[in-house]
Amino acid sequence: GEDVEQSLFLSVREGDSSVINCTYTDSSSTYLYWYKQEPGAGLQLLTYIFSNMDMKQDQRLTVLLNKKDKHLSLRIADTQTGDSAIYFCAESPNQGGKLIFGQGTELSVKP
Amino acid sequence: DTGVSQNPRHKITKRGQNVTFRCDPISEHNRLYWYRQTLGQGPEFLTYFQNEAQLEKSRLLSDRFSAERPKGSFSTLEIQRTEQGDSAMYLCASSLRGQGFTEAFFGQGTRLTVV
Repeated sequence: GEDVEQSLFLSVREGDSSVINCTYTDSSSTYLYWYKQEPGAGLQLLTYIFSNMDMKQDQRLTVLLNKKDKHLSLRIADTQTGDSAIYFCAESPNQGGKLIFGQGTELSVKP
Repeated sequence: DTGVSQNPRHKITKRGQNVTFRCDPISEHNRLYWYRQTLGQGPEFLTYFQNEAQLEKSRLLSDRFSAERPKGSFSTLEIQRTEQGDSAMYLCASSLRGQGFTEAFFGQGTRLTVV
């Protein structure tokens, strides 16, 4: 079945690295995604990774993908207070493009 | 183009009433998706359209829910005989079907409260 799981909370100090983890079930997903949701704002695509890649780096963001274990992680370097938000991992299990989201990880960044 | 637009932003209704939400996607996008998000959860897929054709519906979409996209542009989601369990944020997203990666853009949602 389709299921995406994430830990619910993460608290870090400003300037530290944050690592948010996710496991998914559908090995046919071509792309895996990280979305950010801030209070009162819509979902914003942060980054994505193609399923045949192991790693993708985009400025302060690093995505690691372990297909064997169906494990995805998002590392945010030099975390800032503006990074405080809920982060969702998502997979896209078929060609229709629908997204299956995890329950979200609330990142709290303390000054 | 200002992105995906949803109306209304908030709706409070009494149990048993019908409600209708509207989504205007990004103009050239041929795919349109509806999701529902409850507090503390991620968005759950409800249904999607490619142009005017409704191609997939989730098991979550009971027969009280109906969605349309009559001319392949805007879409409406109607909930009949609302129940308190329908209280949630209803999100719309749109994308352009093509080869390779395409990004889905989300609207800010319609928050439904059933009292």
